[in-house]
Amino acid sequence: DAGITQSPRHKVTETGTPVTLRCHQTENHRYMYWYRQDPGHGLRLIHYSYGVKDTDKGEVSDGYSVSRSKTEDFLLTLESATSSQTSVYFCATAGLADVHEQYFGPGTRLTVT
Amino acid sequence: GQQVMQIPQYQHVQEGEDFTTYCNSSTTLSNIQWYKQRPGGHPVFLIQLVKSGEVKKQKRLTFQFGEAKKNSSLHITATQTTDVGTYFCAGGNAGNMLTFGGGTRLMVKP
Repeated sequence: DAGITQSPRHKVTETGTPVTLRCHQTENHRYMYWYRQDPGHGLRLIHYSYGVKDTDKGEVSDGYSVSRSKTEDFLLTLESATSSQTSVYFCATAGLADVHEQYFGPGTRLTVT
Repeated sequence: GQQVMQIPQYQHVQEGEDFTTYCNSSTTLSNIQWYKQRPGGHPVFLIQLVKSGEVKKQKRLTFQFGEAKKNSSLHITATQTTDVGTYFCAGGNAGNMLTFGGGTRLMVKP
């Protein structure tokens, strides 16, 4: 597996509080992604990055923002957490190979009460 | 936007039986990828198909990409308990993004 870590691995927070999830990679991959996984919905793309300071919205970006100031770090911020954002969040990375496979981190389980 | 549908959502099989999951896209795909997620784990890449009508095999797993590049299937021959997990297809486009299907959760009874 690629060297991808996510922190924290578990978090419980209250509605209305800001939350930041961190993804760190050691593979020097150009592309990084944030997904959320909910029962019956598979993996849905929140935001992605194609380079330092280059980010764009995915399918379900409302309520989320991201930042990438270094190649190895991709941060996902929930400005004001809501119960609908309770989910498992996965970070993924991809390099420049012809086979554009994505490598996933271990996930962060977020509960908003 | 692009939608990828996957069926069935769940499948129970007896160990030794075959298993198939199907994936359909609302648009033509540049490629399709398959991932496996073990219970409590993260998705792990299995394979990528690019060419129309392509068939690839990995031991007991056979992957197909449809002629129109809008559908795909994964077939497992003689399932084993180690095959348990959720299998996702993911449609790729030119922008290096993937649209994931909802997944098929495979349960194998020993």
